[in-house]
Amino acid sequence: EVQLVQSGAEVKKPGESLKISCQGSGYTSINYWIAWVRQVPGKGPEWMGIIYPGDSDARYSPSFQGQVIISADKSISTAYLQWSRLQASDTAIYYCARQDLDLGRGDPKTAGKHHFDHWGQGTLVTVSS
Amino acid sequence: EIVLTQSPATLSLSPGERATLSCRASQSVTNDLAWYQQKPGQPPRLLIYDASNRATGVPARFSGSGSGTDFTLTISSLEPEDFAVYYCQQCRNWPFFTFGPGTKVDVK
Repeated sequence: EVQLVQSGAEVKKPGESLKISCQGSGYTSINYWIAWVRQVPGKGPEWMGIIYPGDSDARYSPSFQGQVIISADKSISTAYLQWSRLQASDTAIYYCARQDLDLGRGDPKTAGKHHFDHWGQGTLVTVSS
Repeated sequence: EIVLTQSPATLSLSPGERATLSCRASQSVTNDLAWYQQKPGQPPRLLIYDASNRATGVPARFSGSGSGTDFTLTISSLEPEDFAVYYCQQCRNWPFFTFGPGTKVDVK
């Protein structure tokens, strides 16, 4: 069974740093891009960025470039999202999501389908003074 | 950036009724469109991909149609568990994914 298990809820103060995690299991994790998605309660999801754990190639939404860092440790099938200085506006639920893969298309890095087939349970990040 | 708009914002229906949800893209996404269902306290769940393909385990009462800029998600006969928020998502220019603002289907 494919699972993406995220780290627990966090409460932080403005200016603090934070790193949250997403561990995959039940599939060959190095072959699937993992995205991070922000969702403010009551709003639609926003794509932040995506990483290929096999070589840590990361791509960012222009809205989040320079605001966060996405990384991965393929040895433990884990992707990370980190902030160096949180702001109150970062308060949201953060999901990791696996980009689906066309298994019949050769190189898995370029064989991704353009949707997310499995999601983590979400990590609530609250930033408040 | 390709912007998705969804209508209506809220759809009030009774169990057994047909639900028709719309998603419109600011420019053509060909058939590169997915639909997700989200219930309170849960992550989104993939329902439809490539505009009309049901994801694994999704009941046949869910169907998707459309191409280019106009897409529709239809639930043929609402079951109690279908009352939720539905989002469309596109990725015509990988890796730039965007989501719509959602349509809430609630009980009339």
